[in-house]
Amino acid sequence: DAGITQSPRHKVTETGTPVTLRCHQTENHRYMYWYRQDPGHGLRLIHYSYGVKDTDKGEVSDGYSVSRSKTEDFLLTLESATSSQTSVYFCAISDGGSLRSYEQYFGPGTRLTVT
Amino acid sequence: GDSVTQMEGPVTLSEEAFLTINCTYTATGYPSLFWYVQYPGEGLQLLLKATKADDKGSNKGFEATYRKETTSFHLEKGSVQVSDSAVYFCALSLPGYGQNFVFGPGTRLSVLP
Repeated sequence: DAGITQSPRHKVTETGTPVTLRCHQTENHRYMYWYRQDPGHGLRLIHYSYGVKDTDKGEVSDGYSVSRSKTEDFLLTLESATSSQTSVYFCAISDGGSLRSYEQYFGPGTRLTVT
Repeated sequence: GDSVTQMEGPVTLSEEAFLTINCTYTATGYPSLFWYVQYPGEGLQLLLKATKADDKGSNKGFEATYRKETTSFHLEKGSVQVSDSAVYFCALSLPGYGQNFVFGPGTRLSVLP
């Protein structure tokens, strides 16, 4: 199994509070991704990173920010949590490049509830 | 745009039945294709993959063949077990940096003893 951990695994927070989720990898993979999974919507990409300090937006980036100061860590921050951000969040990693397609490996997920 | 379509679930089978989950794709380039499985309360796990036309991916009794002419990558298993109950995701990946992975909506499989 790919070495990917997410913390916390479960969190309940109140509307308007900031929340940070952490993804940590031990595989030294270049690419890291944050997805959210919701019933009826499948997996949707929030943000991704293609290197330290290099990040870009995904399909559903509004209300989220990310940071990657080290290869192994990718943080997802909800600046002011809303109930619509209640979801299960997955981190993924990939060793992708420009000429080949690489599979992604997923972490165990963080279940976030915003009340 | 690039997309993946899967058969709607849930799919309910009896143990030892034959499984097929259909997957078709639309892609502007030449994708690699994947099947992922998600067990309850867990993340997605890579089940199998194929990177070029006519390749067959296989793992744990599951198989899928990359059919470029029909843009399909159907998942099959000859005899399912209760432990195969999970959600199955078809996905494609295109060469290029970053945002190049597209997932299907997932198909929930329930296998009854």
